Amino acid sequence: QKEVEQDPGPLSVPEGAIVSLNCTYSNSAFQYFMWYRQYSRKGPELLMYTYSSGNKEDGRFTAQVDKSSKYISLFIRDSQPSDSATYLCASAISSGSARQLTFGSGTQLTVLP
Amino acid sequence: KAGVTQTPRYLIKTRGQQVTLSCSPISGHRSVSWYQQTPGQGLQFLFEYFSETQRNKGNFPGRFSGRQFSNSRSEMNVSTLELGDSALYLCASSTGQTQETQYFGPGTRLLVL
Repeated sequence: QKEVEQDPGPLSVPEGAIVSLNCTYSNSAFQYFMWYRQYSRKGPELLMYTYSSGNKEDGRFTAQVDKSSKYISLFIRDSQPSDSATYLCASAISSGSARQLTFGSGTQLTVLP
Repeated sequence: KAGVTQTPRYLIKTRGQQVTLSCSPISGHRSVSWYQQTPGQGLQFLFEYFSETQRNKGNFPGRFSGRQFSNSRSEMNVSTLELGDSALYLCASSTGQTQETQYFGPGTRLLVL
């Protein structure tokens, strides 16, 4: 079993829809949670990170962490065609200031105009 | 500020050869992490260098090695290449203090024939 499991998709939604992307993790030592967006033939781009349970909002994006159920979500409101990409969740254990990111397998999202 | 740069962007090698990939982090960043991305395994952590010292290592065989120079530039070497080493190799840089905010380069796509 992978330490971070992610709904593989692919996911296809109409423009303007609310998108929900989800991951679960098994390692209780994970303390930091991140969402990355990766466009085709590009490196991942950090969207959001959090280290506590609850919601964190940034524009159209909301990251949600529930440590009790080991569940991570990313919500995209008013989705746009430019949001079409692969979304990766990641978790990290704190060991001093060294962090080793463990990634989910990614969910490919297509937003149709 | 210039982003993370990786060279070369594409590489074709044959089994048994060795390869060296290069990564230049964002100016001022002292930490460089390397990741391997494949369709089957997703993004997997290789190792992290901080101030010329390896301070974290993933579960990869000893054929995968790296180093970091005094200017924070890093190289990754893979010896005795295998077909399964075909992947996108990504490096990510950070200040080293808050690894959550890692910035990825565009990657080097390696094809082993």
